[in-house]
Amino acid sequence: GDSVTQMEGPVTLSEEAFLTINCTYTATGYPSLFWYVQYPGEGLQLLLKATKADDKGSNKGFEATYRKETTSFHLEKGSVQVSDSAVYFCALGTNAGKSTFGDGTTLTVKP
Amino acid sequence: EAGVVQSPRYKIIEKKQPVAFWCNPISGHNTLYWYLQNLGQGPELLIRYENEEAVDDSQLPKDRFSAERLKGVDSTLKIQPAELGDSAVYLCASSLEGRGQETQYFGPGTRLLVL
Repeated sequence: GDSVTQMEGPVTLSEEAFLTINCTYTATGYPSLFWYVQYPGEGLQLLLKATKADDKGSNKGFEATYRKETTSFHLEKGSVQVSDSAVYFCALGTNAGKSTFGDGTTLTVKP
Repeated sequence: EAGVVQSPRYKIIEKKQPVAFWCNPISGHNTLYWYLQNLGQGPELLIRYENEEAVDDSQLPKDRFSAERLKGVDSTLKIQPAELGDSAVYLCASSLEGRGQETQYFGPGTRLLVL
């Protein structure tokens, strides 16, 4: 079946550091890929997405590129802020409407 | 635009008691999802509705869990009887038509503790 594997956390960085959170997937066909973010006390919300190979999703300084050859969708940000502290979930969605989420990576950014 | 609304936000019950969770999706969203989220894990689908029809309930433990979506809008998820292992966060989400490339919009969740 479909699966999503995320880099295990927690990840602790200093402000302005470079962030990478790895995500790889297994799926039949050509899924859409997502990064959702969950801030403390809130529900999951979409951070960015890509719907086909080589697409780059971007939002709030975060980027991820849909790499079909490596079945990956790594999340990156060049300079993190304290306000980026949250749990980040990688997910895929298939044409049949099925969604699969990774286990989440907790990011803490220290001033 | 109002987001996905869930209630209650927190619930503490004793094992073997029944419990129900309510969800109001974003207006106009045809697809509604109920997820289970255990601590330190990602959401796992329990059931997906397209309008009133449950199109994927393969992961719903039907011996104790039930759900309904009357009139294709609000939905209720019920557990009867609750077990200790049911302690988790129950998330509701909605999307326009349930296609794989669509964004899902999540509610804040209901945190259940079974004692």
